[in-house]
Amino acid sequence: EAGVAQSPRYKIIEKRQSVAFWCNPISGHATLYWYQQILGQGPKLLIQFQNNGVVDDSQLPKDRFSAERLKGVDSTLKIQPAKLEDSAVYLCASSLGTGINTGELFFGEGSRLTVL
Amino acid sequence: AQSVSQHNHHVILSEAASLELGCNYSYGGTVNLFWYVQYPGQHLQLLLKYFSGDPLVKGIKGFEAEFIKSKFSFNLRKPSVQWSDTAEYFCAVIPFSNDYKLSFGAGTTVTVRA
Repeated sequence: EAGVAQSPRYKIIEKRQSVAFWCNPISGHATLYWYQQILGQGPKLLIQFQNNGVVDDSQLPKDRFSAERLKGVDSTLKIQPAKLEDSAVYLCASSLGTGINTGELFFGEGSRLTVL
Repeated sequence: AQSVSQHNHHVILSEAASLELGCNYSYGGTVNLFWYVQYPGQHLQLLLKYFSGDPLVKGIKGFEAEFIKSKFSFNLRKPSVQWSDTAEYFCAVIPFSNDYKLSFGAGTTVTVRA
């Protein structure tokens, strides 16, 4: 079974530039998550989709971050304009179930962003 | 604020030593509990999980964890570590609440010396 695919693996940009990350979840997984992992910290949920609807985006900095999941499959996360503090690994994950039946999350390898 | 706490930031062990990593959470109701592991250069992967039933759960690679509801704890253990257990370990919790969000602890880096 193919895992969660993410690209790019690495991205270096200057502050105020924009960047986009792409995620392809495991086939059939209804729920997709984007997490931000800053060095030395645990992953922090940015946004959660169920199919193509947003379940939770309470910790997404909406003035600069946006995400979409078209057709309930692939997803993109965009940052515009980037700040130094956005330097982190952006993790995409998917799960078969949702809510009480969430179960295990499967993670991609992450996209490491460095903002200079 | 509700949270997941991991007691140790970095643990250094010799091979064959025993490992125990602490995890406490502050959610008051029913929870699902997880330990995830991230080996160097690899993605996060599930080590073990607890949903219900026997509070002592066994995972991959000889790891086990014990859920103690009265202590809000889910500590991870391995009797004898190997060099290949060098990794970062994350405790995670899904509370049975309105949003069922998976929240992570800050992680513990485990270094096993050969």
